[in-house]
Amino acid sequence: GAGVSQTPSNKVTEKGKYVELRCDPISGHTALYWYRQSLGQGPEFLIYFQGTGAADDSGLPNDRFFAVRPEGSVSTLKIQRTERGDSAVYLCASSLGAGDNEQFFGPGTRLTVL
Amino acid sequence: DAKTTQPPSMDCAEGRAANLPCNHSTISGNEYVYWYRQIHSQGPQYIIHGLKNNETNEMASLIITEDRKSSTLILPHATLRDTAVYYCIVSGVGTDKLIFGTGTRLQVFP
Repeated sequence: GAGVSQTPSNKVTEKGKYVELRCDPISGHTALYWYRQSLGQGPEFLIYFQGTGAADDSGLPNDRFFAVRPEGSVSTLKIQRTERGDSAVYLCASSLGAGDNEQFFGPGTRLTVL
Repeated sequence: DAKTTQPPSMDCAEGRAANLPCNHSTISGNEYVYWYRQIHSQGPQYIIHGLKNNETNEMASLIITEDRKSSTLILPHATLRDTAVYYCIVSGVGTDKLIFGTGTRLQVFP
């Protein structure tokens, strides 16, 4: 079946602009996760949704970052007033349910802030 | 911070077994050991996990020491497609996130 998909695959923006990154999880997966990966580092947790609600947003670096999952399926990560330091690969993952650590990852969105 | 320590890189000849070590000396009794790998330009992929017994699936075997302070992921017959960064992660059941370290970069050569 279809895996986790993310769009766009690449996004180039200018400092100060607003961006939205989209994640389509595997059908039936109630848990959805966002991670960020900088060059040479392992993925870093940002936020976790169980259904429509953000169950843990402790990894969001500041209030410029926000994520939604209004219908419990697709999620959008929103970044306001982008900074060059936001440049990274943003990974989305989904799993069957809460606490299921077998997470299925998408290919990521590479964000470049000029 | 990651609760695991892994060597930064390893090499393995194609067709040979790749043995990737991981130290997790502060692991708690209810925490599992998970292994993921990340092939270049792809998202991480789940490989295997275990609590205290050795585990085997179609991809790999996981050997956990009796004191649970370390483990080894074994790829029995490495292929060039196994070249990737391998992450060892300690996580409790019911936790909501994976804490990745920097992993081991495995290079399989012909």
